[in-house]
Amino acid sequence: NAGVTQTPKFQVLKTGQSMTLQCAQDMNHEYMSWYRQDPGMGLRLIHYSVGAGITDQGEVPNGYNVSRSTTEDFPLRLLSAAPSQTSVYFCASSYSTRSTGELFFGEGSRLTVL
Amino acid sequence: AQKITQTQPGMFVQEKEAVTLDCTYDTSDPSYGLFWYKQPSSGEMIFLIYQGSYDQQNATEGRYSLNFQKARKSANLVISASQLGDSAMYFCAMREDGGYSTLTFGKGTMLLVSP
Repeated sequence: NAGVTQTPKFQVLKTGQSMTLQCAQDMNHEYMSWYRQDPGMGLRLIHYSVGAGITDQGEVPNGYNVSRSTTEDFPLRLLSAAPSQTSVYFCASSYSTRSTGELFFGEGSRLTVL
Repeated sequence: AQKITQTQPGMFVQEKEAVTLDCTYDTSDPSYGLFWYKQPSSGEMIFLIYQGSYDQQNATEGRYSLNFQKARKSANLVISASQLGDSAMYFCAMREDGGYSTLTFGKGTMLLVSP
């Protein structure tokens, strides 16, 4: 019963490097999203998707790219990492795109940009 | 304006006592859902309880209940008979039906349960 799987769990990057955080879910959820969590800020939405081929920006999208080629996968790309992107990243999915569906979260990925 | 406000950065409670974590929200959408999540020190996000805007009764899940006061736009979480394992960060969140309903979080309340 995998649920939402994120990789890697930990990553250290140098400023300017690129990387992709992987997210996969096996629950056939249409809705997927990426959040970042910073101390004192709660969770802030980066990007989300309501189905394969459909993505949109959240509250803090700058510096991040996403795509959704399949229902299962929703990778988050950092094209040129900056120290301000040091954070804990969560991927989450939901069976519903409406207000009744709770989000299921991955375990998080801790990213440090030096 | 913030959509979700949690005014208590930290709360202390003794084991076996009840505690209320405050949450107020702001929306003009008549259809929305309110959620509470728990984040222990290990970091995972655990769904606790859900309340829909049209639900007539307050939601309950075991020791968790949601005190929903629609006119006041508040959705406080009540934990009865606190346990040491309840020590964690608690987040209130809202999902609106207008547009693509994303989940917006408050900044959280850290709860510490003492023996």
